[in-house]
Amino acid sequence: DIQMTQSPSSLSASVGDRVTVTCRASQSISSWLAWYQQTPGKAPKLLMYEASTLESGVPSRFSGSGSGTEFTLTISSLQPDDFATYYCQQYKTNPYTFGQGTKLEIK
Amino acid sequence: EVQLLESGGGLVQPGGSLRLSCAASGFPFSTYAMTWVRQAPGKGLEWVSIISGSGTSTYYADSVKGRFTISRDTSKNTLYLQMSSLRAEDTALYYCAKSSGNYFHWYFDLWGRGTLVTVSS
Repeated sequence: DIQMTQSPSSLSASVGDRVTVTCRASQSISSWLAWYQQTPGKAPKLLMYEASTLESGVPSRFSGSGSGTEFTLTISSLQPDDFATYYCQQYKTNPYTFGQGTKLEIK
Repeated sequence: EVQLLESGGGLVQPGGSLRLSCAASGFPFSTYAMTWVRQAPGKGLEWVSIISGSGTSTYYADSVKGRFTISRDTSKNTLYLQMSSLRAEDTALYYCAKSSGNYFHWYFDLWGRGTLVTVSS
């Protein structure tokens, strides 16, 4: 199975900050990577797929990059709605594994 | 409106069975693969199973293989997850999700609100 490892596991930041979350795959997954946002009590929401393609309706302050085994999710200027948990997921092959999550908290 | 609505969760004893349903609306159901993802209380996301749009291909996580069966009824626009030999570690919120992408490369672009399964005596 492909293991997905996110760093950091948690992060404190302020409104307006630029933040980056990293996701590493245990083997190459090309660009078969998605990012999801989950706020407490809500279902996950797709932000990005194919590593860098923004899902329709997602604000442009979100961006993604990377290929192979290392990927990043960047939020250019944090807004209050962005404080949530973020998950990466590889979909190169089943089982379609998720990272353990990165909790973004208000400083 | 494009939405997914799960049902069928509840409290079940270890070793018991349960069938989850996911009613889809607002999109051509038979065109898309569908998946189940679960989240144990306070934990991260775990992919459980996926079924192709035609229903001919199914895949499972090792943790549920042989115990869970995914299926779909295109006449009812409904996805199912039949769960048997349930264990305490199956306790989780179960989400269904619409799956998009290329053949076998599926990401999950629409999620339901989830249905809670609790396995306890």
